[in-house]
Amino acid sequence: KAGVTQTPRYLIKTRGQQVTLSCSPISGHRSVSWYQQTPGQGLQFLFEYFSETQRNKGNFPGRFSGRQFSNSRSEMNVSTLELGDSALYLCASSRRQETQYFGPGTRLLVL
Amino acid sequence: GESVGLHLPTLSVQEGDNSIINCAYSNSASDYFIWYKQESGKGPQFIIDIRSNMDKRQGQRVTVLLNKTVKHLSLQIAATQPGDSAVYFCAENLAGSYQLTFGKGTKLSVIP
Repeated sequence: KAGVTQTPRYLIKTRGQQVTLSCSPISGHRSVSWYQQTPGQGLQFLFEYFSETQRNKGNFPGRFSGRQFSNSRSEMNVSTLELGDSALYLCASSRRQETQYFGPGTRLLVL
Repeated sequence: GESVGLHLPTLSVQEGDNSIINCAYSNSASDYFIWYKQESGKGPQFIIDIRSNMDKRQGQRVTVLLNKTVKHLSLQIAATQPGDSAVYFCAENLAGSYQLTFGKGTKLSVIP
C-alpha cells in the first residue's frame, strides 16, 4: 500500500507570496493532519481534517488555512508568506483517530 | 533577531549496545502515546505505540514503557544498529482530540 505523498517536495518563495501544498493520504485513511517542523519550535500541529471538515486547529495565524476534498486528499495554503514560515511542512494520515503516518514533507524556503 | 534552534539531547551508543530514550509528556489526560523515528530529510516514521491502560509494550527490538505516575515514557532499543541513528520523538494524544503533541526529540548516534 502506498504511503502518504506530498507535493511539491521543495519550494522557494519570496515574502508576501502565497503557497499551496498538497497531500495524498494512505488509501482508506480519512483523517489528514498537518504539522510544521522548524529547528526552533520542533513539530507543531496546524490542523486536522476528516470527511472534508476541520475538526481541530492549532495556534497559528489565519494566514494558514487548509481544506480536504471528497477523496480525502488535502491542501494547505499559506498567504502573505513571512521569512519565519520557512519550515518542513508535514502531512499525516490515519484511519483511526490516533495512529498517524507521515509523508516525507514539503520543505519551504521563504526569501 | 537571531533564531535559536532546539538543542536536542544527544545519546551516543556503541553498536550492539542497548539504547534507552526518555520522554516526559505534558498532559495527564493523554491516553495514547507514540514513538516516531525521523531520519535526515525524511518524515517521522512510526515505531511503536502504547495506550494508557498498559505500562509496557514490545515490538521487534523495541520496547516502550509508560509510567503514568510521573508522566514518563521511554523507548528501549535492543542491539542498537547504525541504521537506528536518527532523531526520536515521543508524541501524546489527548483523549477526544485530533492532534498529536510532540516532544522536542532526542538524537541517537550509533558508534560503529
